[in-house]
Amino acid sequence: DAGITQSPRHKVTETGTPVTLRCHQTENHRYMYWYRQDPGHGLRLIHYSYGVKDTDKGEVSDGYSVSRSKTEDFLLTLESATSSQTSVYFCAIKSGIGYGYTFGSGTRLTVV
Amino acid sequence: LAKTTQPISMDSYEGQEVNITCSHNNIATNDYITWYQQFPSQGPRFIIQGYKTKVTNEVASLFIPADRKSSTLSLPRVSLSDTAVYYCLVGETGANNLFFGTGTRLTVIP
Repeated sequence: DAGITQSPRHKVTETGTPVTLRCHQTENHRYMYWYRQDPGHGLRLIHYSYGVKDTDKGEVSDGYSVSRSKTEDFLLTLESATSSQTSVYFCAIKSGIGYGYTFGSGTRLTVV
Repeated sequence: LAKTTQPISMDSYEGQEVNITCSHNNIATNDYITWYQQFPSQGPRFIIQGYKTKVTNEVASLFIPADRKSSTLSLPRVSLSDTAVYYCLVGETGANNLFFGTGTRLTVIP
């Protein structure tokens, strides 16, 4: 959708293992975001990036780290996955004034 | 960030016009109102954005009264494919931490 892809689409991992989710965009947008979505909580911002190597924390950043070494890629890492991080993760880009955000299709992560 | 309040769920028959109202009593001068639509297993999709009065596009209309403390998303002649969750967001266009809330689950009935 609009040049934004997430990988993997689904992942099952064990508690305590590291996990990296990837978001790739083809439109050269400066701002990229990682959200998680859980029942009863809507979407909550984890981290965002406003340029290469420029990132900041969101509402629920504990237990997550991010990196952005290239404009097109924004990585979300769970250093040691926990069951509370079982969720659907969405990446988004800011599409410009008047156009809101464009979201990827999501990654469903299950931590067992 | 201005928080929003919207109904948890709504049902409508096919072909009817649906109006979803969102309350945002603490909206700030620089805040815009934006609506998103989310289908199951997909990310939210931008529908419409406005600041005041009325905005219309090929998908929906957005009505904003003069005091801007509420807004109404209007979907004309809904079909089964409009069954989704609709989110109302309030914030500056340049903001990086928009509050999505839990949205309104619209179910269109045949």
